[in-house]
Amino acid sequence: GQNIDQPTEMTATEGAIVQINCTYQTSGFNGLFWYQQHAGEAPTFLSYNVLDGLEEKGRFSSFLSRSKGYSYLLLKELQMKDSASYLCAVVDSNYQLIWGAGTKLIIKP
Amino acid sequence: GAVVSQHPSRVICKSGTSVKIECRSLDFQATTMFWYRQFPKQSLMLMATSNEGSKATYEQGVEKDKFLINHASLTLSTLTVTSAHPEDSSFYICSARVPDRVGTEAFFGQGTRLTVV
Repeated sequence: GQNIDQPTEMTATEGAIVQINCTYQTSGFNGLFWYQQHAGEAPTFLSYNVLDGLEEKGRFSSFLSRSKGYSYLLLKELQMKDSASYLCAVVDSNYQLIWGAGTKLIIKP
Repeated sequence: GAVVSQHPSRVICKSGTSVKIECRSLDFQATTMFWYRQFPKQSLMLMATSNEGSKATYEQGVEKDKFLINHASLTLSTLTVTSAHPEDSSFYICSARVPDRVGTEAFFGQGTRLTVV
């Protein structure tokens, strides 16, 4: 079966750095997305990785290792508005999006 | 980025009635749209894949007769929750991906908060 694992919840301090991990086992791989979702709102796109390595975009970076079936989202200089759920999603061999359950990130002052 | 518009954003209906939710791709043609349901503190759960001009593909456990999907044009898909019950109360979200472009992000509608009383 297809499976994506992320921690359920994480807590971090304002101004700090946090890394949210995602491991996956899917039938084929055509890329991995990270989305941010605030409570009661639709997800918004953060990043897309299809090749191994680190993609940096402002305070957010995303890393992929296809051989390990592993990705992480790195958030720097945390702000209170970063409190949200972060969803990892993998595109499988049929180009379907397989979603993780999401990681709820709580930012404390 | 591409825009997907979903309407209504919130709806309250009485038990036993039907509710229609619209999902429109505003600046691209979406041959395929996806309908998700999300319960509080849970992730997105794919309900069905809506294909333009053909029948929708439903995920296991999703009742076809209860959740009617119509994808009549390249820019519009509708989800009708028939004979709604309180347990159907949830956040419903549609999404679309730009066709024929591998790896493009999924563009989401704003979501519809359905409350059945």
